[in-house]
Amino acid sequence: AQSVTQPDIHITVSEGASLELRCNYSYGATPYLFWYVQSPGQGLQLLLKYFSGDTLVQGIKGFEAEFKRSQSSFNLRKPSVHWSDAAEYFCAVGARPGNTGKLIFGQGTTLQVKP
Amino acid sequence: DAGVIQSPRHEVTEMGQEVTLRCKPISGHDYLFWYRQTMMRGLELLIYFNNNVPIDDSGMPEDRFSAKMPNASFSTLKIQPSEPRDSAVYFCASSPMDSLPYGYTFGSGTRLTVV
Repeated sequence: AQSVTQPDIHITVSEGASLELRCNYSYGATPYLFWYVQSPGQGLQLLLKYFSGDTLVQGIKGFEAEFKRSQSSFNLRKPSVHWSDAAEYFCAVGARPGNTGKLIFGQGTTLQVKP
Repeated sequence: DAGVIQSPRHEVTEMGQEVTLRCKPISGHDYLFWYRQTMMRGLELLIYFNNNVPIDDSGMPEDRFSAKMPNASFSTLKIQPSEPRDSAVYFCASSPMDSLPYGYTFGSGTRLTVV
């Protein structure tokens, strides 16, 4: 069965510092992979996605993520965090073929940014 | 485009009452998803529709929950009777078929409190 693990429930970084949020997945093949961000009181917004090809994907707001098949990981990174990045971040996997539409989400990581 | 519209934004009800949550997907989107978000269980897919037809309702917790999509522009999630453990944020998301699984647009959610 598919599953997603985000090992870190809460992370605090200083503004301007680099960020890495971890995501590990369990799936029999290469899944579709996603990162979403949720600001307080808002729905989820797609940051980036991976389907195939280049394992380093760029997203919005300066985020990137790297797919590592050997580690079953899809970690999210940002070189310099801004205070507005404080939010909750969700990793998700989707089954192939993709037209079932279902996504399985991790438990989320809450990011706090210190001034 | 107004995005996915959910109503109400907040709902407080007494245990045993019927609750109806509403969702208007983005025009032209073929898929509609209902998710529930709680601290304990994170984001769970409850049910999804394709062209107004329920495809997978395996995530619906029990018979007290029902969902309908009478037309392409409207869906409801009903809980009858409601219980305190149903307290959660309920999200609706929609997607065009040719963008699955990466075309999710989430609504802002309905925060349900059952007292």
